[in-house]
Amino acid sequence: DTAVSQTPKYLVTQMGNDKSIKCEQNLGHDTMYWYKQDSKKFLKIMFSYNNKELIINETVPNRFSPKSPDKAHLNLHINSLELGDSAVYFCASSQVWLWDEQFFGPGTRLTVL
Amino acid sequence: QQPVQSPQAVILREGEDAVINCSSSKALYSVHWYRQKHGEAPVFLMILLKGGEQKGHDKISASFNEKKQQSSLYLTASQLSYSGTYFCGTPNSGNTPLVFGKGTRLSVIA
Repeated sequence: DTAVSQTPKYLVTQMGNDKSIKCEQNLGHDTMYWYKQDSKKFLKIMFSYNNKELIINETVPNRFSPKSPDKAHLNLHINSLELGDSAVYFCASSQVWLWDEQFFGPGTRLTVL
Repeated sequence: QQPVQSPQAVILREGEDAVINCSSSKALYSVHWYRQKHGEAPVFLMILLKGGEQKGHDKISASFNEKKQQSSLYLTASQLSYSGTYFCGTPNSGNTPLVFGKGTRLSVIA
């Protein structure tokens, strides 16, 4: 069984569109995260969501918004996509906030044309 | 504040050892190590906490020097499967998300 899954695996879209990436974890973890990995492989935290408390990286544009319908899901919505949004987006989860190993999903490669 | 990793890249022959360093200009509360193979997701290796507690895989060893604000990951008797990019991550303060370094690319050749 897949621990952390993401859909879609690839996403190609035009500038200005709105898109969503879904993430689900079946590990029973309390905390979920979204990371962005750019072309230089820099892995940057975007959001952390723990027991309904959301921590936002201040550098993330407000075009990005996480939505958590329940503890097992943390979806990422992106409005008005820009070329610079092209990257691989990883979802992750951990049992304990921060002080525990994070399990990463397989990633979603977003390409904005 | 992003931790600094060194070296940026290293090439090893099977069986050789390597050390990857991670340093911070701020006080370290914990250091988290991950490995990412090409085209795959990062995979957890180890967490080192202030006070000496560690959690991780048995075959991986690492050190955490609070005074020097640095951590080192030790890879001994390297195997081809060790190839990948190694990231260290640290929280900027006690309760903030991880900030990862730029990574160290390790290539193990036969």
